[in-house]
Amino acid sequence: SQQGEEDPQALSIQEGENATMNCSYKTSINNLQWYRQNSGRGLVHLILIRSNEREKHSGRLRVTLDTSKKSSSLLITASRAADTASYFCATGYNTNAGKSTFGDGTTLTVKP
Amino acid sequence: GAVVSQHPSWVICKSGTSVKIECRSLDFQATTMFWYRQFPKQSLMLMATSNEGSKATYEQGVEKDKFLINHASLTLSTLTVTSAHPEDSSFYICSARKARQGTNIQYFGAGTRLSVL
Repeated sequence: SQQGEEDPQALSIQEGENATMNCSYKTSINNLQWYRQNSGRGLVHLILIRSNEREKHSGRLRVTLDTSKKSSSLLITASRAADTASYFCATGYNTNAGKSTFGDGTTLTVKP
Repeated sequence: GAVVSQHPSWVICKSGTSVKIECRSLDFQATTMFWYRQFPKQSLMLMATSNEGSKATYEQGVEKDKFLINHASLTLSTLTVTSAHPEDSSFYICSARKARQGTNIQYFGAGTRLSVL
């Protein structure tokens, strides 16, 4: 299976702390994306990192990619209660008709 | 922007009836749309890839005659759950890729919660 695996499955932190989520995948990728899903809603694209990139930033988000270990991490700094959501990684492959394979997700709870 | 509208957001139906779900890209053209199913606290399971003007490509194990997909225009794809049964109850989500987009970023609808009685 090409599906990514994320850990931890669930993460609970206090507001202001940093949250780190990890994603591992099995085959070579073209890019990796992170999405956020609020409960009962669709997904929102957060950030895309290409296979030739090692780190990318967007506001309070920092994504790293280690293709040798086939893993990525998403760091949310100075978390807020509004960051409470599920976060999914999705891997994109060159020959997959534009499909992305989603990981199992990490449920983040930020306590005020 | 890249807004995808999915309708209805919630539907309850009797067993044996058919339900149609619409997915529209409001401010961009989408040559490809995807339909997913999501069970509680689980990841998204890709059901099919919908291509404008051609037949949808279904994932292994997804019944084509059960889940009818039509992508008649660059901004609209529909999923019809035919003869729905309680086991079809789930959260269905669509997404769309922009035409001529160099990446596989997907823009998602808000999802449709289907409850079959």
